[in-house]
Amino acid sequence: GAVVSQHPSRVICKSGTSVKIECRSLDFQATTMFWYRQFPKKSLMLMATSNEGSKATYEQGVEKDKFLINHASLTLSTLTVTSAHPEDSSFYICSARDPRLEPYEQYFGPGTRLTVT
Amino acid sequence: KNQVEQSPQSLIILEGKNCTLQCNYTVSPFSNLRWYKQDTGRGPVSLTIMTFSENTKSNGRYTATLDADTKQSSLHITASQLSDSASYICVVSAKTGGFKTIFGAGTRLFVKA
Repeated sequence: GAVVSQHPSRVICKSGTSVKIECRSLDFQATTMFWYRQFPKKSLMLMATSNEGSKATYEQGVEKDKFLINHASLTLSTLTVTSAHPEDSSFYICSARDPRLEPYEQYFGPGTRLTVT
Repeated sequence: KNQVEQSPQSLIILEGKNCTLQCNYTVSPFSNLRWYKQDTGRGPVSLTIMTFSENTKSNGRYTATLDADTKQSSLHITASQLSDSASYICVVSAKTGGFKTIFGAGTRLFVKA
């Protein structure tokens, strides 16, 4: 099946700094990528939908100036958490839609564990 | 309101036993229902995908059923293994112009030796 990678898998940063998370589709071109956040023992919460070459669409309640999303190429989307705060500590997961498949099929990355100290 | 509810929240079974996880949804207009397995600290992995016309789909020891009339789905795991310990997430998509996807909270399964 299709593979989606994320980097880094774990990151620790200090409050006030910014951290960038990368999401790559390894064997297909993803016109659409999604960013999710997951708290312990909770399900995934969609943060934003990223379309290649255009601005991301953010879900209600997600601060677009704090969570900067860039989808500069068909295989790469990045999520930058700016001015990180301890409450931003979470598990961030991206997914990518393979345009060769049904529009609702998506492949998830392995996730990035962010800890803000 | 579009919702996906899963039960039980958590489940402990002995290795080799079978189990069934439930998913009820109120998503409309229904497009498809997917079951994912998520190991701790990992991303979800797709197990099955079912559209409106499908009422059962198997993937190895995993068998999903769908009753579109009652808006219920189940995931049956046969002859459980220790590696089946994970969260199982039911995801339902509604076709509304594009696709709106609603995630269930998941069922945490623990398989013990």
